[in-house]
Amino acid sequence: DSGVTQTPKHLITATGQRVTLRCSPRSGDLSVYWYQQSLDQGLQFLIQYYNGEERAKGNILERFSAQQFPDLHSELNLSSLELGDSALYFCASSVAGRNTDTQYFGPGTRLTVL
Amino acid sequence: GESVGLHLPTLSVQEGDNSIINCAYSNSASDYFIWYKQESGKGPQFIIDIRSNMDKRQGQRVTVLLNKTVKHLSLQIAATQPGDSAVYFCAEGKTSYDKVIFGPGTSLSVIP
Repeated sequence: DSGVTQTPKHLITATGQRVTLRCSPRSGDLSVYWYQQSLDQGLQFLIQYYNGEERAKGNILERFSAQQFPDLHSELNLSSLELGDSALYFCASSVAGRNTDTQYFGPGTRLTVL
Repeated sequence: GESVGLHLPTLSVQEGDNSIINCAYSNSASDYFIWYKQESGKGPQFIIDIRSNMDKRQGQRVTVLLNKTVKHLSLQIAATQPGDSAVYFCAEGKTSYDKVIFGPGTSLSVIP
């Protein structure tokens, strides 16, 4: 158990809908990362937050947004969902958000868009 | 459990043998490299890392080798065990506040 929790574990929704994925980092970790893992794209970095502020941005679509709250939990919002958004979404956390800090991954949320 | 289902390169190894998983990284400016292990139904798990000022680093049963000349990274697992069966990802980044890029992964299958 990495100490990172993600909810829900599974999510099934329809195209055009909006969903919110939630992540609680390890106790003491200030930085949160979001990744998408799909069948054809591998593990893709989406976005990173550090202590409530956006720190780095990756291949995140404009339909997707995220935030980190004062209690350090984070939410990833996916809107106008398309079939191609079906994937595993992982959250990771690290102590201070440096690349040399170990990232601890949560168990993921499996999103299925029908 | 859940699996990624990618058409990944696959390495099959007999239990007890040594495994070598290779990775070519893309950015010559990368100076920090990490290996992750992802078991079926779980998130990636940190194994070992190495900075560009080193060419070898050893952990418990694992060794990472870095060849900056040809932008190549390898993970050696000694005395491979069934519990080592997983997808292994290399990742590259810079020792600054920048994103880490993951490679496509290699599936390791250990034959008992």
